[in-house]
Amino acid sequence: AQSVTQLDSQVPVFEEAPVELRCNYSSSVSVYLFWYVQYPNQGLQLLLKYLSGSTLVKGINGFEAEFNKSQTSFHLRKPSVHISDTAEYFCAVNEEGGSEKLVFGKGTKLTVNP
Amino acid sequence: GAVVSQHPSRVICKSGTSVKIECRSLDFQATTMFWYRQFPKQSLMLMATSNEGSKATYEQGVEKDKFLINHASLTLSTLTVTSAHPEDSSFYICSAARSTADTQYFGPGTRLTVL
Repeated sequence: AQSVTQLDSQVPVFEEAPVELRCNYSSSVSVYLFWYVQYPNQGLQLLLKYLSGSTLVKGINGFEAEFNKSQTSFHLRKPSVHISDTAEYFCAVNEEGGSEKLVFGKGTKLTVNP
Repeated sequence: GAVVSQHPSRVICKSGTSVKIECRSLDFQATTMFWYRQFPKQSLMLMATSNEGSKATYEQGVEKDKFLINHASLTLSTLTVTSAHPEDSSFYICSAARSTADTQYFGPGTRLTVL
């Protein structure tokens, strides 16, 4: 079984500052990794995903994430955030080649202040 | 592409009534659809997985007689909350995938409030 840990429940930053949202996972098999964003009272939007290949994955809205197998991490980064990036961010995994079920972390609330 | 809609976006009902929520894949055919439940300030919990034309697979602890799921076509899945009670109040989100290995695309969610 897989599990996902998002170490920070809340991350406040100022506008134009860089941000990193941390995600660690646990699995006995290879996994696919995802980051989703949820704006208030909305569903989830896929930011980026890692399936294979380059460990640095670029997504929408200027976000990127790096897969580190030895550290079982998939941290999300953005060099300069905007007020509009304020949202809940979820890291998720599923088993490579196995069940399509996604296991989500508890989420990180990113608040960008002016 | 890969747009998923849900209807209604918000519903308020009396205790004891049943509520149906629709999930549609608008521009692709979804072999598999998923239903999640999200409590305030918490993550998504998978309730069930449905494949078109077959019975849904429910996660442990989810009452299949209370949460009826129908996936009658490749673009529509429905979740019916039967005899709803206040503790069923939650945000219900569906997702859809073209195939087992495909990315899940999420709907905008349905806020259910049971009085």
